[in-house]
Amino acid sequence: DQQVKQNSPSLSVQEGRISILNCDYTNSMFDYFLWYKKYPAEGPTFLISISSIKDKNEDGRFTVFLNKSAKHLSLHIVPSQPGDSAVYFCAARAGYNQGGKLIFGQGTELSVKP
Amino acid sequence: ETGVTQSPTHLIKTRGQQVTLRCSSQSGHNTVSWYQQALGQGPQFIFQYYREEENGRGNFPPRFSGLQFPNYSSELNVNALELDDSALYLCASSFSRGNTEAFFGQGTRLTVV
Repeated sequence: DQQVKQNSPSLSVQEGRISILNCDYTNSMFDYFLWYKKYPAEGPTFLISISSIKDKNEDGRFTVFLNKSAKHLSLHIVPSQPGDSAVYFCAARAGYNQGGKLIFGQGTELSVKP
Repeated sequence: ETGVTQSPTHLIKTRGQQVTLRCSSQSGHNTVSWYQQALGQGPQFIFQYYREEENGRGNFPPRFSGLQFPNYSSELNVNALELDDSALYLCASSFSRGNTEAFFGQGTRLTVV
């Protein structure tokens, strides 16, 4: 039962253009959503999060959009840079009373070409 | 301020053996979570420790157990290792149980042969 899904295993984008990474979820009780970036041989690095009561959060080049009715969130990176090439995971928090458990998607590998 | 560190970085064990993985949490963090990441998958929650008590557990059998120490460092123990336990084991620490921003270590790559 995959509660958080990233349906695109990979994405290739030209430097300077927009990267859009998508994530779908099934559980309406999730209260926080997070995006992590992972380079090979490193642990995931926190990028940006959004509360379920908001529909947008922005931090520099990174913006996360949440559509609760569609149970869908997306991460926009503008402009994309070669250093953004990594695997991106979306994660949902199961709720404060569930031990802060994060449920991750399978990841999307982003390649930004110069 | 030191980040989250895990040891060892790589480990090879034989099926049936036991293994202990270690994690030092980031300074000021009292909560540690452990995740298992199989190849090509996202991390899966094993359990969380908050102030030395287990505070939530994922769908893992009892042979996966943990400890958190007074300095908030943590251990993950796996008994009776199976081939499917081969994975990257990640530790994450955070200021609170809520994990709205968890900081991950680099992971321990466990191979069971």
